[in-house]
Amino acid sequence: LAKTTQPISMDSYEGQEVNITCSHNNIATNDYITWYQQFPSQGPRFIIQGYKTKVTNEVASLFIPADRKSSTLSLPRVSLSDTAVYYCLVSGSARQLTFGSGTQLTVLP
Amino acid sequence: DAGITQSPRHKVTETGTPVTLRCHQTENHRYMYWYRQDPGHGLRLIHYSYGVKDTDKGEVSDGYSVSRSKTEDFLLTLESATSSQTSVYFCAISGGRDVDTEAFFGQGTRLTVV
Repeated sequence: LAKTTQPISMDSYEGQEVNITCSHNNIATNDYITWYQQFPSQGPRFIIQGYKTKVTNEVASLFIPADRKSSTLSLPRVSLSDTAVYYCLVSGSARQLTFGSGTQLTVLP
Repeated sequence: DAGITQSPRHKVTETGTPVTLRCHQTENHRYMYWYRQDPGHGLRLIHYSYGVKDTDKGEVSDGYSVSRSKTEDFLLTLESATSSQTSVYFCAISGGRDVDTEAFFGQGTRLTVV
């Protein structure tokens, strides 16, 4: 299983763009990179998934360099409601999904 | 929301008693997972299932057992509960969509062992 490393916490202000980087040096060829968001007292929720280059959806973008040893989740113009824990996962199938400690993002007014 | 129901949502039990938590899905997803989450920690995988009667251990499986006799139900059993098993338990499902590993989570079960 590929191990992931993320910053423990980040602070930002409302309206700013936030980039959270995840390191996954031993990612395998068939691994995907998936990001989840978790609010207190709730289960995590899927944000975005990618394999290489850039993926964008209505809430976020995911940037993956050519070597795929890291990935960056980009949240445009964050609001207070984006305060949450963000997890990066690497897996090659829907089998063992292992979460790391995540990044606590705090958005300040 | 994905059709996942965890029961009970809250439980207080005494040390040494057996406890079973239930996860029920209506999505016909192949994979099911049990996690525990403790204050200040991420989610830690306890056990997972990749089909009926097919289960495997996760990171923190000691003291826990699971069973999956039907696609829709995944049971987590604490044979003899200990205070260290006080935690919030989340069930998740995946494998039913074209997104490879998108998982959907239940609302969680808060278990207190006194």
